[in-house]
Amino acid sequence: ETGVTQTPRHLVMGMTNKKSLKCEQHLGHNAMYWYKQSAKKPLELMFVYSLEERVENNSVPSRFSPECPNSSHLFLHLHTLQPEDSALYLCASSQDIVSYEQYFGPGTRLTVT
Amino acid sequence: LAKTTQPISMDSYEGQEVNITCSHNNIATNDYITWYQQFPSQGPRFIIQGYKTKVTNEVASLFIPADRKSSTLSLPRVSLSDTAVYYCLVGSVRDSGGGADGLTFGKGTHLIIQP
Repeated sequence: ETGVTQTPRHLVMGMTNKKSLKCEQHLGHNAMYWYKQSAKKPLELMFVYSLEERVENNSVPSRFSPECPNSSHLFLHLHTLQPEDSALYLCASSQDIVSYEQYFGPGTRLTVT
Repeated sequence: LAKTTQPISMDSYEGQEVNITCSHNNIATNDYITWYQQFPSQGPRFIIQGYKTKVTNEVASLFIPADRKSSTLSLPRVSLSDTAVYYCLVGSVRDSGGGADGLTFGKGTHLIIQP
């Protein structure tokens, strides 16, 4: 238990669906992150939030839309995804964005059909 | 960002000490070295971080030579549950406006511990 929870743990969605991934951290951290991990590929940083403001967007397609309503919650809204978007989506938090000690959630295993 | 090179896989046995070496020839002055562990279908877990010489915690030790062009993660007396992928990351904090360069994970080292 890292203090970072993610729901749902598994998600199957069609290409025309809209769904959202939720992340919550109970650590009092100020920075939160979304990562994508595809099969046999390195972890890819998608979005970085610091004090609820987005500070980094690594050229992620617009079909992925993040939202950070407060420093404890992070969402990833998904719409019109492609099968190649199937992956493990990981949320992480850290005390601040200058810290390399990040705490990861268990991830959401997403399958796009 | 400094590029890192680590072995793709390693094998060892329970009770042995395991050393995983990471090369980072282009490490910058401000860069720190961080190691993470990841089990299948789970998020990575922070193990240890260092800048120079030696760092030790309850899980592992990190050895960094004076030139800092490599580092070695040492796991004492491994068990079957240490089978995982281990990532070496090198990075620094941006000076302007704050903000990390982000954790850039490579392919890591798949460590397999056998009975």
